[in-house]
Amino acid sequence: AIQLTQSPSSLSASVGDRVTITCRASQGISTALAWYQQKPGKAPNLLIYDASSLESGVPSRFSGSGSGTDFTLTISSLQPEDFATFYCQQFNDYPFTFGGGTKVEIK
Amino acid sequence: QVQLVESGGGVVQPGRSLRLSCVASGFTFSNYAFHWVRQAPGKGLEWVALISYDGSHTSSADSVKGRFTISRDNSKNTLSLQMNSLRADDTSIYYCAREKQMPMIGTFGFDIWGLGAMVTVSS
Repeated sequence: AIQLTQSPSSLSASVGDRVTITCRASQGISTALAWYQQKPGKAPNLLIYDASSLESGVPSRFSGSGSGTDFTLTISSLQPEDFATFYCQQFNDYPFTFGGGTKVEIK
Repeated sequence: QVQLVESGGGVVQPGRSLRLSCVASGFTFSNYAFHWVRQAPGKGLEWVALISYDGSHTSSADSVKGRFTISRDNSKNTLSLQMNSLRADDTSIYYCAREKQMPMIGTFGFDIWGLGAMVTVSS
């Protein structure tokens, strides 16, 4: 199975900060990667698909990049509603594994 | 309103069975592939299984293979997960999720999720 390693596992940031989360795949997955945001007690919400395409309705401060094994989710200016846990997921091969998650907390 | 609503969760003893259902509304159910994803308390997300739009193709995680069966009834807009031989480590919130529809072949993400159904396996 393809393993996805997210880093960091948690971070503290302030409103207005630029935040970058990394997802590394154990083998090349082209651009078959999505990013989700999950708030406590809620289902995940799709942010980015195909590594860099913004899902409809998602604010433009979210962006994704990368291909092959290294991917990045960037929040250009962190907003109060962005504090949550973020997950990457690959679709290159079964099983469609998730990364371990990155919890973004308020500094 | 586009939505997915899970039901059938509960507390079950190890070794017993449980069946989850997910009813879809607000869109053409038969046009989409669906997945089950689970999340153990305080843990991350784990993909469980998928079924194609017409039910002809399924796949599942090794952790549930041979115990869990995904199915669908397009006439009833319903997705199901039959869970047999349940174990304590199957305790999780189970989400059904719709696969994002794209004009090209492949899976790109899950764009609609249910609220989740809690399954607790305990004696």
